[in-house]
Amino acid sequence: GQNIDQPTEMTATEGAIVQINCTYQTSGFNGLFWYQQHAGEAPTFLSYNVLDGLEEKGRFSSFLSRSKGYSYLLLKELQMKDSASYLCAAMDSNYQLIWGAGTKLIIKP
Amino acid sequence: IAGITQAPTSQILAAGRRMTLRCTQDMRHNAMYWYRQDLGLGLRLIHYSNTAGTTGKGEVPDGYSVSRANTDDFPLTLASAVPSQTSVYFCASSDSGGGAQGYTFGSGTRLTVV
Repeated sequence: GQNIDQPTEMTATEGAIVQINCTYQTSGFNGLFWYQQHAGEAPTFLSYNVLDGLEEKGRFSSFLSRSKGYSYLLLKELQMKDSASYLCAAMDSNYQLIWGAGTKLIIKP
Repeated sequence: IAGITQAPTSQILAAGRRMTLRCTQDMRHNAMYWYRQDLGLGLRLIHYSNTAGTTGKGEVPDGYSVSRANTDDFPLTLASAVPSQTSVYFCASSDSGGGAQGYTFGSGTRLTVV
């Protein structure tokens, strides 16, 4: 079957670094997405990885290992506004996104 | 309109009633999707459309129907609402295959069936 696993909740301190892990199993693979979702709002696109390695975008970076079925989202210099849920999603062979349940990130001052 | 517009924003609906959730996009994306999001379960695909005139069933299609008469509109209909359909519904769109830009989401409809 198809499955995405990510931690339910994480806590980090303002100014610090946090890594959110995601493992996936899909029928075929056409890329790994990370989305940010603030409470009561829609998900917004953060990153896309289809090749192995690290993609950096400002304070956010995303890593992919296709052989391990593994990705992580790295958030640096955490700010209070980064408190949100982070959704991992893998695209299968039919170009459908399979979603994880999301990781709620709590930032403490 | 910029992006995806969903209506209504929220609704309380009596069980057994029929309801249509509206979704309109202005990005000329080929593909559109309807998801429901429930606490602890993540986003679950209800129905999708890869292009105008075609639709397909997602993970949880029972009790829902969709149509795609044109590129911009993708309404979701609950024929006879039940309390288990209480959820937040998101419409999304993408260029074919999602690609490097992923999906764009509407702001959601919070539906309560009583």
